[in-house]
Amino acid sequence: DVKVTQSSRYLVKRTGEKVFLECVQDMDHENMFWYRQDPGLGLRLIYFSYDVKMKEKGDIPEGYSVSREKKERFSLILESASTNQTSMYLCASSPLGLYEKLFFGSGTQLSVL
Amino acid sequence: GENVEQHPSTLSVQEGDSAVIKCTYSDSASNYFPWYKQELGKGPQLIIDIRSNVGEKKDQRIAVTLNKTAKHFSLHITETQPEDSAVYFCAASTGRRALTFGSGTRLQVQP
Repeated sequence: DVKVTQSSRYLVKRTGEKVFLECVQDMDHENMFWYRQDPGLGLRLIYFSYDVKMKEKGDIPEGYSVSREKKERFSLILESASTNQTSMYLCASSPLGLYEKLFFGSGTQLSVL
Repeated sequence: GENVEQHPSTLSVQEGDSAVIKCTYSDSASNYFPWYKQELGKGPQLIIDIRSNVGEKKDQRIAVTLNKTAKHFSLHITETQPEDSAVYFCAASTGRRALTFGSGTRLQVQP
């Protein structure tokens, strides 16, 4: 069975902290994504990566960066967490040439106090 | 860029009734339209998708229809069951970029 694993289900951080959200997929997929989910706003794309060490900005990249050193792992970094980054963060992956068929992790609910 | 609008935001139906969720998109180049279901505590999961060369697609109790001229597509669930209760997201893609999602519909099926 396909699996996208996010390291934490719940995370509480303080304003100004550097935060790392980790995601690992076991499907050998080329493409990986980070979305944030907010009520009434749906899923908004933060960053995506189509290959190791390659990344592209999504629709809301401000305040975030990403790292993809290995094919199976895609990390989201909040350089200096702020309260408006309190949200549900969803990682996803998809096979090469199939940006569309996403497999999602269960999400990390991040609270920034 | 693409903009996807989804309605209604919440929908409550009686078990056995039908449910319809509607989405509109802005980019006429979009050619792929999936629907995702998110159960409580889980990530979204693809349940059905349609491409722009097809007007309708069915899979058991769910179906999706597409009207390219009007730039809207809909999800139809017949004979709803309590396990259909979830948040549903529509999305659109041109195939050259990642998906753009709608704002979601919370469906509640009352037993």
